[in-house]
Amino acid sequence: GESVGLHLPTLSVQEGDNSIINCAYSNSASDYFIWYKQESGKGPQFIIDIRSNMDKRQGQRVTVLLNKTVKHLSLQIAATQPGDSAVYFCAEIHLTGKLIFGQGTTLQVKP
Amino acid sequence: NAGVTQTPKFQVLKTGQSMTLQCAQDMNHEYMSWYRQDPGMGLRLIHYSVGAGITDQGEVPNGYNVSRSTTEDFPLRLLSAAPSQTSVYFCASSYSGTDSGANVLTFGAGSRLTVL
Repeated sequence: GESVGLHLPTLSVQEGDNSIINCAYSNSASDYFIWYKQESGKGPQFIIDIRSNMDKRQGQRVTVLLNKTVKHLSLQIAATQPGDSAVYFCAEIHLTGKLIFGQGTTLQVKP
Repeated sequence: NAGVTQTPKFQVLKTGQSMTLQCAQDMNHEYMSWYRQDPGMGLRLIHYSVGAGITDQGEVPNGYNVSRSTTEDFPLRLLSAAPSQTSVYFCASSYSGTDSGANVLTFGAGSRLTVL
């Protein structure tokens, strides 16, 4: 079946360390992936995206890696800050336009 | 731009009551949608609209109605609320196009609904 899932429901990191949040997807008929950040009491916010013809894309302190061979997506956050504490969702968009969200990983940043 | 605005932020209903969750966007986005977010279930699509006058069902449409009389507004109606509809509801919009940015949803802040 179709699913987009994150490996760990909760990730705890020390402030200043790098964070890696993982996402596995099962449907190879996908064209586009997005990472969202959802802070407590707010709606999800766009962080970074990547198309299926790319394997890496960098933003400000964030990098998304796509491994189509093993259907794996990851979000790397450099020098994690307290403001990075949130739930992170990956989303997969099929060629048909169907959007599927993962369950989410809660990132906790310890001071 | 205010982005996507949802009202109310919080609402408590009794079983059987009706209500409308309002959603408005000022970005001239053609695409609008409603999601519900429940613990352990992620975001699930309720209804969506690709433009004024056009609506369609998502993954979990039962118990909800929508309409799209204008580009800006996309209200979600609960005709007879049930405890199973206790959830956080998000409205989201995006522009229509063939570039990848057309897939990026802008979300509202959410409406927390409790049905007793």
